[in-house]
Amino acid sequence: EAAVTQSPRNKVAVTGGKVTLSCNQTNNHNNMYWYRQDTGHGLRLIHYSYGAGSTEKGDIPDGYKASRPSQENFSLILELATPSQTSVYFCASGDAGRQDTQYFGPGTRLLVL
Amino acid sequence: GDQVEQSPSALSLHEGTGSALRCNFTTTMRAVQWFRKNSRGSLINLFYLASGTKENGRLKSAFDSKERYSTLHIRDAQLEDSGTYFCAADSGGNYKPTFGKGTSLVVHP
Repeated sequence: EAAVTQSPRNKVAVTGGKVTLSCNQTNNHNNMYWYRQDTGHGLRLIHYSYGAGSTEKGDIPDGYKASRPSQENFSLILELATPSQTSVYFCASGDAGRQDTQYFGPGTRLLVL
Repeated sequence: GDQVEQSPSALSLHEGTGSALRCNFTTTMRAVQWFRKNSRGSLINLFYLASGTKENGRLKSAFDSKERYSTLHIRDAQLEDSGTYFCAADSGGNYKPTFGKGTSLVVHP
């Protein structure tokens, strides 16, 4: 079974603070993704990566950075958190060669006050 | 506009009944996935289809790339089927699916 973990699972941050969300996958998947999920919007893609060292902008990248230092780890960084970034964030991994599914992490609930 | 239009946005079913969820696409999609978000917030992968139909227990999904839609049929609904269902479709290139807005399903006794 695919294993994607996220940390922290819950986070409260202050406006203007820096937040780093971490994702780790043990499946040796090339592709990794960061989404946010808000009521009425479904899941929206923020950043994604094709492999270590690569980051690509998704559909809503503004206010977010990403880092892929290794095959296993993909981080989402909010340099200056804002209340509008309060959301549930999901990380996912996928095998670019198979492209038959994405495996999701459990999600991180972020509240920006 | 949105590339993936999912309907209905909310659905209420009595146990033992069934219904269908649908996603329409504004462009040709290469593949579609269906997920369920359960009460703990986890996303569960239900189906991946590049064409045709797949069935798993009480769930059945179909994807027609040419007609630009996919469906998820639920039969004999159970209480544990409650949750939010998402479709996600990929238009090609490296896999980067676009999600629908979700269908909130509540199954009542």
